[in-house]
Amino acid sequence: EVQLVQSGAEVKKPGESLKLSCKGSGYSFTSHWIGWVRQMPGKGLEWMGIIYPGDSDTRYSPSFQGQVTISADKSISTAYLQWSSLKASDTAMYYCARHVSGDIDYWGQGTLVTVSS
Amino acid sequence: DIVMTQTPLSSPVTLGQPASISCRSSQSLLHRDGNTYLSWLQQRPGQPPRLLIYKISNRFSGVPDRFSGSGAGTDFTLKISRVEPEDVGVYYCMQATQFPYTFGQGTKLEIK
Repeated sequence: EVQLVQSGAEVKKPGESLKLSCKGSGYSFTSHWIGWVRQMPGKGLEWMGIIYPGDSDTRYSPSFQGQVTISADKSISTAYLQWSSLKASDTAMYYCARHVSGDIDYWGQGTLVTVSS
Repeated sequence: DIVMTQTPLSSPVTLGQPASISCRSSQSLLHRDGNTYLSWLQQRPGQPPRLLIYKISNRFSGVPDRFSGSGAGTDFTLKISRVEPEDVGVYYCMQATQFPYTFGQGTKLEIK
């Protein structure tokens, strides 16, 4: 069974750093792209970027380029989304998702990030 | 970026009646490999999204056959033949033909 298990909810202050994780299981982690999707409170889905764990090829949406870093550790089947300096506007639910030929077929349960002073 | 535009944004429907959601892309979603990477997702309240339809018209595993997708090029439609209570939620189209991948704004399906 394909599963993507994300790390738990986070409460941070503006300016702090953060790294979210997404552990894949039940499939070949290195053979499928993993993407990240943001959902701000009460809003729609925004595609942030994607990584191919096999060779760490990474693509970002221009809206998120330079704002976040996507990485992966294939030895432990885990993808990451990180910020070096959070803003209040980063408050959102973040989902990781497996891509198959582009389409997203499986989603993580989501990680709620709250940034507040 | 390819812009995905859904209509309507809200759809009140009667149980047992059909529902239809449209999605239009700002450019053709036909990939050079011959596939069209247009999918439909459902997000029930408080849950992550889930895949319903991929490559325009293919139902994902476990998706009831009352859901169907159609279209080509820039115009696509999701149809629910008979709306059930568990269909309440927000529906999104998504294109994965060209980076950056993009979603429609979402259509809220609610029961009258």
